[in-house]
Amino acid sequence: DADVTQTPRNRITKTGKRIMLECSQTKGHDRMYWYRQDPGLGLRLIYYSFDVKDINKGEISDGYSVSRQAQAKFSLSLESAIPNQTALYFCATSDLTGGEETQYFGPGTRLLVL
Amino acid sequence: AQSVTQLGSHVSVSEGALVLLRCNYSSSVPPYLFWYVQYPNQGLQLLLKYTSAATLVKGINGFEAEFKKSETSFHLTKPSAHMSDAAEYFCAVSDQQASGTYKYIFGTGTRLKVLA
Repeated sequence: DADVTQTPRNRITKTGKRIMLECSQTKGHDRMYWYRQDPGLGLRLIYYSFDVKDINKGEISDGYSVSRQAQAKFSLSLESAIPNQTALYFCATSDLTGGEETQYFGPGTRLLVL
Repeated sequence: AQSVTQLGSHVSVSEGALVLLRCNYSSSVPPYLFWYVQYPNQGLQLLLKYTSAATLVKGINGFEAEFKKSETSFHLTKPSAHMSDAAEYFCAVSDQQASGTYKYIFGTGTRLKVLA
């Protein structure tokens, strides 16, 4: 079984709709992240959480919100989807050990906003 | 400011030829450096990482990278390309901020094409 899972894997929605992307992990990591990937832009950080009570904005948080329901779950919401939020979204987890942090990624959610 | 630059958004090599994917970073202190690979329709998978132990780092699938502080580079190489190496490769850097937290920055990616 995958350590980091994302649901749904694919989603088509209409402009103005609210949608939620979910991420679960079995790695026992405290840190979780949401990124979006766009062609030619690499990965850009949307939000991150270092533990259940800690939520931080990334470089492109506008139009998004998150919820850290438990150590293992970190959800990303688009309150009112718009077409330029069409992208591939990745969840990642990490554990900071001895000053070293490696991130582990889920399989991604491909979102199309019409 | 911390940044990662990957030279060449697309690289094509012939099967059996050397693979060289370039990554340069800027960081005020020696960072941790990573290479990830993304196969079509999949998430990112860690290839290798530099954590100050050895400057030449060996990863999975025959890839390796060398940390060169004087050149602020962490180029990824493989002696002989295989068709299955076709994917997108991302360089990433992580270093400690003044606040004590760590910041993780990805490059924009290099898509590797392997020609038969």
